[in-house]
Amino acid sequence: QQQVKQSPQSLIVQKGGISIINCAYENTAFDYFPWYQQFPGKGPALLIAIRPDVSEKKEGRFTISFNKSAKQFSLHIMDSQPGDSATYFCAAYIYNFNKFYFGSGTKLNVKP
Amino acid sequence: GAGVSQSPRYKVAKRGQDVALRCDPISGHVSLFWYQQALGQGPEFLTYFQNEAQLDKSGLPSDRFFAERPEGSVSTLKIQRTQQEDSAVYLCASSLRDRGQLSEQFFGPGTRLTVL
Repeated sequence: QQQVKQSPQSLIVQKGGISIINCAYENTAFDYFPWYQQFPGKGPALLIAIRPDVSEKKEGRFTISFNKSAKQFSLHIMDSQPGDSATYFCAAYIYNFNKFYFGSGTKLNVKP
Repeated sequence: GAGVSQSPRYKVAKRGQDVALRCDPISGHVSLFWYQQALGQGPEFLTYFQNEAQLDKSGLPSDRFFAERPEGSVSTLKIQRTQQEDSAVYLCASSLRDRGQLSEQFFGPGTRLTVL
């Protein structure tokens, strides 16, 4: 049973557009929600993260929106650039078990 | 300082062979994680070490998979009698702190295992 469900599987956006990736979870024990960016041949790298007591977090062009009641969170990439083309993973973390659960990934292609 | 390193980067094994994958975490990092990433999928948790203690091995798919971290630094993931379904990228990650204390998880580049 997948703990974190991610959509869409792939996404094509024009340069300058907004990329939106969505994730949903069921386990209310999760208490930290990071997003990772992965380029081919590399390991995932932390992009931005949010705690469930916050509804939005913004870092540069990247924003996480968090809806605790709906158990959903999303990543918004503003002014998308070709260099943002990568696979993005949402994840959920349980402090007490020190365990991360990852979504299935979204392959983003930003067209020049 | 160097990040997390893994070796080999690529490994081709014949079905039935044993393989050993190495992870060198960031120096001083307490926690070490192993993940399996199938093609087009997200990382799936395999096992977790706090220093040399293996605290969670619930994700290991079978008793053919074994991991160790004897001195609390370098870790080895061993797969015995490899099967085709073991083909995947094996990722190692480390973080500075222990459970209950969140700290960023740093990933290595992974080892791509292909079982023929």
